[in-house]
Amino acid sequence: DIQMTQSPSSLSASVGDRVTITCRASQGISNYLVWFQQKPGKAPRSLIYAASTLQSGVPSKFSGSGSGTDFTLTISSLQPEDFATYYCQQYKSYPLTFGGGSKVEIK
Amino acid sequence: EVQLLESGGGLVQPGGSLKLSCAASGFTFSSYVMSWVRQAPGRGLEWVSTIGGSGAGTYYTDSVKGRFTISRDNSKNTLYLQMNSLRAEDTAVYYCARSENHLLWGQGTLVTVSS
Repeated sequence: DIQMTQSPSSLSASVGDRVTITCRASQGISNYLVWFQQKPGKAPRSLIYAASTLQSGVPSKFSGSGSGTDFTLTISSLQPEDFATYYCQQYKSYPLTFGGGSKVEIK
Repeated sequence: EVQLLESGGGLVQPGGSLKLSCAASGFTFSSYVMSWVRQAPGRGLEWVSTIGGSGAGTYYTDSVKGRFTISRDNSKNTLYLQMNSLRAEDTAVYYCARSENHLLWGQGTLVTVSS
């Protein structure tokens, strides 16, 4: 099974900050990686797929990069609506696996 | 509007059964692989099962193999998850999602396994 490790598991940031979350796969997954945002009590929302392709309707302040085993999600200027938990997931092979999540909180 | 709508969750005793449904609309359902993903209270996301567009090809996480069955009815644009021999650790919100990269999600349905 491919293990997905996210870091940090939580972070505190201020409005306007640039935030970067990393996701590492235990083996190469090419670019078969997707990023989600989830707010409390809500379903996840896809942000980025194929590691760097912005999902339709997602603001350009979100960006993704990486290939192989190391990936990053960047929020260029954090806004109040961006405080949430973020997950990565690989879809290179079964079982499909998620990272443990990165909770972005207000400083 | 493109959407997924789950139903069928509820309270069930350990060892019991439950069947979840996911009604799809706004897209050609039969053209898409479909998945179930769950989230236990206060925990992260866990993939449960995936089925191919024609119904051929099914995949399960190890913890549900032999207990859960994924299926679909393309004439009704509906995805199902039959859950048998339920355990306390199956308690979660169950989401249906489109494709292996889960770009579209339903709102979820809560399954509680408790005596």
